[in-house]
This record gives sequence, structure tokens and C-alpha cells, in this order.
Amino acid sequence: DTGVSQDPRHKITKRGQNVTFRCDPISEHNRLYWYRQTLGQGPEFLTYFQNEAQLEKSRLLSDRFSAERPKGSFSTLEIQRTEQGDSAMYLCASSSDLPGNEKLFFGSGTQLSVL
Amino acid sequence: AQSVAQPEDQVNVAEGNPLTVKCTYSVSGNPYLFWYVQYPNRGLQFLLKYITGDNLVKGSYGFEAEFNKSQTSFHLKKPSALVSDSALYFCAVRDGIKAAGNKLTFGGGTRVLVKP
Repeated sequence: DTGVSQDPRHKITKRGQNVTFRCDPISEHNRLYWYRQTLGQGPEFLTYFQNEAQLEKSRLLSDRFSAERPKGSFSTLEIQRTEQGDSAMYLCASSSDLPGNEKLFFGSGTQLSVL
Repeated sequence: AQSVAQPEDQVNVAEGNPLTVKCTYSVSGNPYLFWYVQYPNRGLQFLLKYITGDNLVKGSYGFEAEFNKSQTSFHLKKPSALVSDSALYFCAVRDGIKAAGNKLTFGGGTRVLVKP
């Protein structure tokens, strides 16, 4: 399967703990995106990378959130000092920047539950 | 800023009947419009897109959508719904300017329930 992979699929943590999620995009895609989705809502944009450069961050992304894509391939999203309000599905997507390749390919997501 | 509205939380339709899921958008430049479908415990799957050209675009699984610039709408349609079409449907928009990257803004989603 050469789609977008996310790990882990599920994460349960206690409030105040740090968590890190990983995303492996489709190999030839140079753009990578993180979204957050809560139950019954549409995905909300968090941040995106063009290669290793983080080009945009949403105001939703507080100082407790940090994302990296060190070699322009996989990406990690870390949440420090988790809060119950961080409970959500975290979706990763990738795309090419070539014309005609505008669509995003999504992974299955990481479901975070903060107790 | 760009935004998407999906006015119906849920659409119920009998199998074999036409299905329509409504979407309106707001964007400052030329809109790039998308529909995605989400099945339980799965990621979003691309259905179709409008970038330019014919206002009626055809996509996966027999779905189509009509771009209406004057009404700023991009409604999703299927002539004959199947029970397997029951899922959560999302409309999304991005600004057509290159600087926007491919960042999409999604609507709140519409749950489709097709009854046998």
C-alpha cells in the first residue's frame, strides 16, 4: 500500500502528558498537511509543509503543538501537556505541487483520547 | 478568508432515488472545489473536483457535481443512490492562487443515509 500512513491509529493518554504522532506521506508528494477533526465536524486545518519548510500554521495551533518534517519526507506532530480538549482525530494528508494534482490524499488518522 | 457551508446535517433518501448534497462556498479568488467522502473509521476519500472548464464534473462511484458561480454553489448529485453510499460527505474549497498551496477549507459535513 503506497498511501498515506499514520501511526499510531489510536492513542489514549492522561491529561498533562506529551504525545507524538507520525505521518508518512505518499513518497513523491512534496506537500504535507495536518488537520484535526472532532466528532461530527469537518476537518480543521492545522499546518502544512512544502518539503521541509513549514509554510503556514493555523491560529488553532497553540504553543503546545509543534510539527516537523526534518528531511521533507515523514512528519511528526507533537502535543505537549495534553488537555481534554485536544481529544480528536488527527489527520495527515499529502499532495503534489504539480498542476493538475491539486487533490489531497488522506491517511486514516490518529484518534487521540485525553483522559 | 475562505469558507464552506453545508446546510444539511443529514440527508435521507430511498435506494434508487436521486441524491443531492448541498454546498455553498466563499473565497476571494477563483475557487477550486472538492468533494470527499468518509466511511466509519476511515480517512477521507476524494470523489471529484472542479478547477476550471465544464460546470458539471463527474467523479468516482457515479457521483457528479455542478459548479454554479452566480450562486456560489457546488452541489453533489447522484442519479440513483445505493445503500453503500451511506457515509459522511464533505465539501471543500481552496483559493485558486498559487500562494494558497493546496490547503483546503472543509464544510461541516453532511451525513447521507440511504434506506433500502
